[in-house]
Amino acid sequence: DVKVTQSSRYLVKRTGEKVFLECVQDMDHENMFWYRQDPGLGLRLIYFSYDVKMKEKGDIPEGYSVSREKKERFSLILESASTNQTSMYLCASSWKNTEAFFGQGTRLTVV
Amino acid sequence: AQSVSQHNHHVILSEAASLELGCNYSYGGTVNLFWYVQYPGQHLQLLLKYFSGDPLVKGIKGFEAEFIKSKFSFNLRKPSVQWSDTAEYFCAVTPKGYSTLTFGKGTMLLVSP
Repeated sequence: DVKVTQSSRYLVKRTGEKVFLECVQDMDHENMFWYRQDPGLGLRLIYFSYDVKMKEKGDIPEGYSVSREKKERFSLILESASTNQTSMYLCASSWKNTEAFFGQGTRLTVV
Repeated sequence: AQSVSQHNHHVILSEAASLELGCNYSYGGTVNLFWYVQYPGQHLQLLLKYFSGDPLVKGIKGFEAEFIKSKFSFNLRKPSVQWSDTAEYFCAVTPKGYSTLTFGKGTMLLVSP
């Protein structure tokens, strides 16, 4: 089974903190994604990566950055956390042009 | 850019009722289509997918979906729902040759025993 593991299920951070969300996949997938899930808004793509050190902005990249130094690991960075970034963050991975596999999600609260 | 519209935000059914969740997408070219499900407290899982071929696709747990190209639709169906089908359902689309999924806003299904 494909496994996508996110480092934390729950996080509470203060406004202005730098926040790192980590994701690891074990299936040698080329693609990795970060989505944000909010009630009534569905999933919105923040960033994706199609190879090591390669990244593309998604629909809502503002306030976020990403890092992919190794194929299996994709990090989402909130440079200066704000309360409007309180959300559920979902990491996913896939082979090219196939379905995505999702992690359990990280529920981030910014206070 | 493509977009996905799910017709109902909340659906409440009794056990054994039939289910149909609507999904329409907007994109002029060929697409891959997906339905995902998120059970309470669990991660998003793939229910079924359509890439090509028979437009009626069968997925896990008795779900099926029909791709109607002329209507840009990919509706999810199940003849008889169970309490365990209570979950949030997401339709997603990606243009052929691309990997990023665009999701609908989701439909929360509550099945009462």
